[in-house]
Amino acid sequence: DTAVSQTPKYLVTQMGNDKSIKCEQNLGHDTMYWYKQDSKKFLKIMFSYNNKELIINETVPNRFSPKSPDKAHLNLHINSLELGDSAVYFCASSQTDRHGYTFGSGTRLTVV
Amino acid sequence: AQSVTQPDIHITVSEGASLELRCNYSYGATPYLFWYVQSPGQGLQLLLKYFSGDTLVQGIKGFEAEFKRSQSSFNLRKPSVHWSDAAEYFCAVGGRNTNAGKSTFGDGTTLTVKP
Repeated sequence: DTAVSQTPKYLVTQMGNDKSIKCEQNLGHDTMYWYKQDSKKFLKIMFSYNNKELIINETVPNRFSPKSPDKAHLNLHINSLELGDSAVYFCASSQTDRHGYTFGSGTRLTVV
Repeated sequence: AQSVTQPDIHITVSEGASLELRCNYSYGATPYLFWYVQSPGQGLQLLLKYFSGDTLVQGIKGFEAEFKRSQSSFNLRKPSVHWSDAAEYFCAVGGRNTNAGKSTFGDGTTLTVKP
């Protein structure tokens, strides 16, 4: 069983479209995250949810909207996609601050 | 604010040689420290972590790291590198009971292993 699973793995779409990425974890963790990895492999946190409550919202365009229907799921919806949104998006979960993250395998988003 | 610096962008070592990847952090107190590995096309995998106690921590795949408070460092080491260790390595610092578990990542070090 995959611990943190993301779908889709690849997403190619045109500018201006709206798309969603889904994430599910079966580890029983309370906290989930979205990170963005750019073409230089730099990782930046976008959002964090703890038990369905938004607790971290970094400086991210409001075209990005996370949603957590329950603590095992954290989805990311992106409106009006732009070329600069092309990146790999990672979902992660953690048990507590000191345990580190379990990452999903990533979603490679390409906006053309 | 917490931050991490990985001074080496790219390191090349021969298979069987020893490895040390450097990591320096900035944090107001004793942080949580982590090393992750990312193989091409994959997500990140946690290698090891430090949060208290023994400053030399052992991880998976034969890696270890040493926390040195005086130097604000958490360097990753492996005595003998295998070709399969070629990957991107990230050091990360996390806050204790603050920042809601947010980890800040370094910019990564790319490891190339020569046969």
